Amino acid sequence: GAVVSQHPSRVICKSGTSVKIECRSLDFQATTMFWYRQFPKQSLMLMATSNEGSKATYEQGVEKDKFLINHASLTLSTLTVTSAHPEDSSFYICSASSGGIGETQYFGPGTRLLVL
Amino acid sequence: KQEVTQIPAALSVPEGENLVLNCSFTDSAIYNLQWFRQDPGKGLTSLLLIQSSQREQTSGRLNASLDKSSGRSTLYIAASQPGDSATYLCAVNSGNTPLVFGKGTRLSVIA
Repeated sequence: GAVVSQHPSRVICKSGTSVKIECRSLDFQATTMFWYRQFPKQSLMLMATSNEGSKATYEQGVEKDKFLINHASLTLSTLTVTSAHPEDSSFYICSASSGGIGETQYFGPGTRLLVL
Repeated sequence: KQEVTQIPAALSVPEGENLVLNCSFTDSAIYNLQWFRQDPGKGLTSLLLIQSSQREQTSGRLNASLDKSSGRSTLYIAASQPGDSATYLCAVNSGNTPLVFGKGTRLSVIA
């Protein structure tokens, strides 16, 4: 149980385009979802926390107009990287929790984004 | 602000050795601590989760200990195998804030 999927697993796009990444909880209802970014050989950096039906809470330094997060249902959250640039190339990982921030998080397999 | 440090950053050992990975955290008021494994280009696989009231957790060849008062956790891997090669991440859950991750230990087990 507690499986989280992400789609796509890899995406290559041209600079200036927008890319949407989906995060789904397959067998539980995710009240809270988290989006992380990971640079090569670095740890995970939390970008934002989203609760179903409400606006996401962004970490300091993360542009909310650049990284649009939607958590419209208890099983789906999306991250849209708008007007992507090469510096947005990274590994994006989501996680989901059936409770609040203190509850166990289950991680997705990640999405590799390459912006040319 | 919680900070998590993992030592060493990288470790290379011959197959069959027992090894210890270290994790330290600055604020002992934690809810739980979790060890993850990450293979290159992949997501995170949860290995062990220790609640704040527990001292250790075991799963197969893995044993994780927690000393909350001193702000330390160790992950012990017995009889290491090449398949254990990966990055191991420690993450602290303080209950009212998001998970805080260490930078990880990159483990290579040489056949």
